[in-house]
Amino acid sequence: SSELTQPPSVSVSPGQTASITCSGNKLGNKYTSWYQQKPGQSPVLVIYQDTKRPSGIPERFSGSNSGDTATLTISGTQAMDEADYYCQAWDTSTAWVFGGGTKLTVL
Amino acid sequence: QVQMVQSGAEVKKPGASVKVSCKTSGYTFITYGISWVRQAPGQGLEWMGWISAYNGNTNYAQKFQDRVTMTTDTSTGTAYMELRSLRSDDTAVYYCARASGGVGTFDSWGQGTLVTVSS
Repeated sequence: SSELTQPPSVSVSPGQTASITCSGNKLGNKYTSWYQQKPGQSPVLVIYQDTKRPSGIPERFSGSNSGDTATLTISGTQAMDEADYYCQAWDTSTAWVFGGGTKLTVL
Repeated sequence: QVQMVQSGAEVKKPGASVKVSCKTSGYTFITYGISWVRQAPGQGLEWMGWISAYNGNTNYAQKFQDRVTMTTDTSTGTAYMELRSLRSDDTAVYYCARASGGVGTFDSWGQGTLVTVSS
């Protein structure tokens, strides 16, 4: 079982804001990344170091991390954002761990 | 640009071993680590381990510690992952990913290699 807990699914209407949470013990003390994965494709990094966006990732993707919860927020969600999203945490003692994933549906 | 190209699909029998390669280009190989992540059909991502391309140091997930070996060839910029004593539940897509040092993120991924374990 995963040490990071994500909701299995989140639904959002086009143009609205989607929030996907990731919970873990003292997660705020670790670096958290988020990955988007569409069917049949490799994961793509959308947020790293809690809040940073790689080049090429739209500004509508943002992240936060505090206490036991990290959150990926997608503002003005578009149909193309429909995908599975995974959080991932890292620190020097526990190495890497992934959340179970959240299926984002845009309807 | 950074590219990570993995070897092709494999079919193995239970008890066999598989070795997957990941050839990198577009960056200085020894300045990043490589992690291996797998995804069983319809399931989530599972971290298997990490290797430093600089000095070969490894960090394996406890679940795989007895069965996995990760290596690199700095002359060709290629990383390898060997998994032994395969079982049917090892059937999965195996990904290599470039690990950014210090912030623990995977910023570039290979296309994945499907390993099917079946008698």
